[in-house]
Amino acid sequence: ETGVTQTPRHLVMGMTNKKSLKCEQHLGHNAMYWYKQSAKKPLELMFVYSLEERVENNSVPSRFSPECPNSSHLFLHLHTLQPEDSALYLCASSQAVRGDGYTFGSGTRLTVV
Amino acid sequence: EDQVTQSPEALRLQEGESSSLNCSYTVSGLRGLFWYRQDPGKGPEFLFTLYSAGEEKEKERLKATLTKKESFLHITAPKPEDSATYLCAVQALHSSASKIIFGSGTRLSIRP
Repeated sequence: ETGVTQTPRHLVMGMTNKKSLKCEQHLGHNAMYWYKQSAKKPLELMFVYSLEERVENNSVPSRFSPECPNSSHLFLHLHTLQPEDSALYLCASSQAVRGDGYTFGSGTRLTVV
Repeated sequence: EDQVTQSPEALRLQEGESSSLNCSYTVSGLRGLFWYRQDPGKGPEFLFTLYSAGEEKEKERLKATLTKKESFLHITAPKPEDSATYLCAVQALHSSASKIIFGSGTRLSIRP
């Protein structure tokens, strides 16, 4: 496989559930990101990992917990979410030093009920 | 504060009717400006990077241009398959190398 792969594509969870989103990149990139995309709002940067180390956390609630075990994999662990957390969650990767365009995955459409 | 504003929010064109999308930005020094295309249910797809005023990039029916305050994405003789949301993003010169600020996008519809 090539590019950035996200699983699952769709997820419905209750407010008391715990679930995880997975992202995998096969591009040899050094940086990986989680973004949140809500209707009619700009993409919101959540977390940035560079060389497996978290370099940014944009005031994201603690109910979202990222994990980057190696440079190819990124997870977003979810627990006790709220209905307003329903959105498209996008993973992206890039060569961090250049800061050029990102390669995005297709996203996970999350619905919290 | 760094900011990106895209207009119009939505644009409907007839097939073959050329037009332009606008991206106005405010940053304390520009490292780069990026255009992406996003189809429904998919992640954004990278189109262009522009680094300095006067620069232009082309790809098929799309041409991106850059000034010190804004960028235009010109679409010439569009086809229905060009229908998508087009996102603009900027990276400030003194921001972390990995931080990019996105606009809300322009939703483009091309009628056959």
